Amino acid sequence: GAVVSQHPSWVICKSGTSVKIECRSLDFQATTMFWYRQFPKQSLMLMATSNEGSKATYEQGVEKDKFLINHASLTLSTLTVTSAHPEDSSFYICSADRGLAGSDTQYFGPGTRLTVL
Amino acid sequence: GQNIDQPTEMTATEGAIVQINCTYQTSGFNGLFWYQQHAGEAPTFLSYNVLDGLEEKGRFSSFLSRSKGYSYLLLKELQMKDSASYLCAVRDSNYQLIWGAGTKLIIKP
Repeated sequence: GAVVSQHPSWVICKSGTSVKIECRSLDFQATTMFWYRQFPKQSLMLMATSNEGSKATYEQGVEKDKFLINHASLTLSTLTVTSAHPEDSSFYICSADRGLAGSDTQYFGPGTRLTVL
Repeated sequence: GQNIDQPTEMTATEGAIVQINCTYQTSGFNGLFWYQQHAGEAPTFLSYNVLDGLEEKGRFSSFLSRSKGYSYLLLKELQMKDSASYLCAVRDSNYQLIWGAGTKLIIKP
């Protein structure tokens, strides 16, 4: 099956610093990658959709200048949380889409738990 | 607007059967998915329905009625490891996944 990796799996940082999270599709090329955020006991919230070589599409309410997304290749997307604050502490999950119809859809990375002190 | 409803929490007994319902109202329909998510982990794919009817996969089955905007996930022979959140998601006309809030399933011995 398709594998998506995320790095790091967890990170603790001081308020005001920037944190970069990498998402890689290991054995397939992803036409589209998605970034989600999930607060405790809440559902997944889509933050942005990114396609290789083009600007990401951000969901309403998500600050594009704060959450920088770079989709450098068909196998790598990065999310940078700039000037992180405690309220940005959350579980960030990426997923990669193979671009096929049917059930062969998004494959999720294992997630990155961000704690901002 | 788009909306997916599922119960917040359910409790069942080990070895029993439980049905988790999901109703949806979305802009278009291109399939309904069920995912399992254990605490602190990413979701894992369980099932996919695009046509009406029942899809069976081992202990798990998923049903869809497009005319009613309704689906359910049926779990049989419950095991303690089935304790998790179960997420219903619908792919809309833009091929975007719309997520429900998830149903936390608690299995008791």
